[in-house]
Amino acid sequence: DGGITQSPKYLFRKEGQNVTLSCEQNLNHDAMYWYRQDPGQGLRLIYYSQIVNDFQKGDIAEGYSVSREKKESFPLTVTSAQKNPTAFYLCASSIRIWAPTGELFFGEGSRLTVL
Amino acid sequence: SQQGEEDPQALSIQEGENATMNCSYKTSINNLQWYRQNSGRGLVHLILIRSNEREKHSGRLRVTLDTSKKSSSLLITASRAADTASYFCATDLPDSGNTPLVFGKGTRLSVIA
Repeated sequence: DGGITQSPKYLFRKEGQNVTLSCEQNLNHDAMYWYRQDPGQGLRLIYYSQIVNDFQKGDIAEGYSVSREKKESFPLTVTSAQKNPTAFYLCASSIRIWAPTGELFFGEGSRLTVL
Repeated sequence: SQQGEEDPQALSIQEGENATMNCSYKTSINNLQWYRQNSGRGLVHLILIRSNEREKHSGRLRVTLDTSKKSSSLLITASRAADTASYFCATDLPDSGNTPLVFGKGTRLSVIA
């Protein structure tokens, strides 16, 4: 079945540690995204990538880093520079950034808690 | 930057009633989409309406778009307990070039059996 797989589903981190969230898709989509969701805040865009080896900052990129070495994979690293990393992280993909349908496909999310 | 704003923030109805959620946005759009999110899960695409369309149906869902008022509504008819979820509108920003969708903060719908 085609879809997006995020792992781990739950992650605990000590302050000062970097953690990496995995996102893999087998939909053959060019575009991939990372969103952060806090209670009552909706979704905020962290990073997005339109093509392999290229990515752009979103609205809240500070304290995060990404890579896009393969079309299928778009891992997100939450660095120690991110002051308030506890949140629900959602990965998504679409055929292209702008497409006639424009539909985003989401993973099931990763919940990060800083202890 | 958040373009869409849903109203109300929370809505509680009885099973069988209709649920209406509204979305207002600020700039011109090519299309507007509605997504659903069950608690602790990812978002699922429900319906897309283009800027030249006024109304669209999908099963028990009815979406309207009024570009003159920069607003959209999502109507769920004959609601069921399984419709309990958060609903988000999302818009593109054509004047900003190739940029991703921008999501609102969502409406939390509770359908009581």
